[in-house]
Amino acid sequence: GQQLNQSPQSMFIQEGEDVSMNCTSSSIFNTWLWYKQDPGEGPVLLIALYKAGELTSNGRLTAQFGITRKDSFLNISASIPSDVGIYFCAGPAHNDYKLSFGAGTTVTVRA
Amino acid sequence: EAQVTQNPRYLITVTGKKLTVTCSQNMNHEYMSWYRQDPGLGLRQIYYSMNVEVTDKGDVPEGYKVSRKEKRNFPLILESPSPNQTSLYFCASTPGGGRAGEQFFGPGTRLTVL
Repeated sequence: GQQLNQSPQSMFIQEGEDVSMNCTSSSIFNTWLWYKQDPGEGPVLLIALYKAGELTSNGRLTAQFGITRKDSFLNISASIPSDVGIYFCAGPAHNDYKLSFGAGTTVTVRA
Repeated sequence: EAQVTQNPRYLITVTGKKLTVTCSQNMNHEYMSWYRQDPGLGLRQIYYSMNVEVTDKGDVPEGYKVSRKEKRNFPLILESPSPNQTSLYFCASTPGGGRAGEQFFGPGTRLTVL
C-alpha cells in the first residue's frame, strides 16, 4: 500500500503548549484526513482536507493540505490533558475507498 | 444513535479454529471496510466493500474473507486463524461519494490467536 511517513512518532506535551505533527507521502494525494484515537476506542475523524493549500480548523486543531499535495500538517494549540491519544494521518491510495494510514503520533502528557 | 458495532470486542482462540467477527452499521452507508492495527504500523486495510455484493482487497487481505450480503452488515471471516493474525481489528463505514475517506469506526475487536 501507499506509504505515509508520519512524524514525530511520539511526543510529550505540557498543558498549554502548542504542538505540531506532519505527514508526508511519496506520491500526490487529493485528500488528506486526520483522525484521533483515544485509548480503547476506534479512530474518530478530526479534519478532512480536499484542496491543496487548504487550511481548516476544528476548535483548537488546525490542519493544512500542503501545496505540493504530498504533505499535511496538524497543529494543536493550547493543549489540554484530553488531547492525549494517537493521531493518524490518512489519504486515499489508488481510489477514494482504499485508505492508507500513517503509523501514528502518540501524544502523552508530560509528568 | 448512529454507530458501527462490532462483536465480539475481545476474542482468544487457537490456531486453525474458524471465526467470524461481525460488523453492523445503522447509517445506511454504502461503503464499509475492515482494518487491522498493529503497533508501529498504524491501520492497514484488509478488505473493503463499495456496496452489496461488491468487495475488493485492501493492502493485507491474505488469510481473511469477507461478505456483503446486505447493506448494514460486513462480517470478517478467518477460516484458519494463525498467530500472526493476533491484532486489533476495526470496522468502518462511510456514505461514500466524494467524501469516502470520512469514515466512522467501530469500537474495535481485540483478537488473540494462540
